[in-house]
Amino acid sequence: SYELTQPPSVSVSPGQTARITCSGDALPKKYAYWYQQKSGQAPVMVIYEDNKRPSGIPERFSGSSSGTVATLSISGAQVDDEADYYCYSMADSGAHRGVFGAGTKVTVL
Amino acid sequence: VQLLESGGGLAQPGGSLRLSCTASGMEFSTFAMSWVRQAPGKGLEWVSAINGNGADTYYADSMKGRFSIFRDNSAGTLHLQMNSLRTDDTAVYYCATYDGSEPFAFWGQGTLVIVS
Repeated sequence: SYELTQPPSVSVSPGQTARITCSGDALPKKYAYWYQQKSGQAPVMVIYEDNKRPSGIPERFSGSSSGTVATLSISGAQVDDEADYYCYSMADSGAHRGVFGAGTKVTVL
Repeated sequence: VQLLESGGGLAQPGGSLRLSCTASGMEFSTFAMSWVRQAPGKGLEWVSAINGNGADTYYADSMKGRFSIFRDNSAGTLHLQMNSLRTDDTAVYYCATYDGSEPFAFWGQGTLVIVS
């Protein structure tokens, strides 16, 4: 079955840039989406279609994709950005199969 | 947009449960919808999706044949019928919009299902 691979954790100092990668064989053909989930809360979309930011999401969140790797960047990370981040995409199998990465815990300290 | 899940609770292995999601503040029939679950302390898992008119449904492999997604556009509700429940189905189940360009743009707060 199709998998998206994320690092389990990323640590960053306040004001620095955090980068979270998501690897998947179908990413050259399929968009990546990113979701932030704070403890005890429902997820929130922060990036869609590789690099678009929904309204209300701060500009410090950006996305990119190259080859089999999509990347979420948080520029000028703030303590409030501490959360789990999940990438999502589709398998390129013809069948409709959505897949989330296992998630990355971002710590800002 | 508001999505409110209900129907979670305790079920026995092999049993059944039906989850519901009531939508408001949106033209419900124009949105594809989805269920996503999260086991305790674990990551997100896509479960199932359905298109706006209910004609097309999709399932994760581990749920196919056991779960059934359907909707009532006149009532603005989405449902997930879960049969042959297993202990590893224990999770918070979220409903979410599933628009083609912005999947999971809106989420409910989730409903907890415990299979024990």
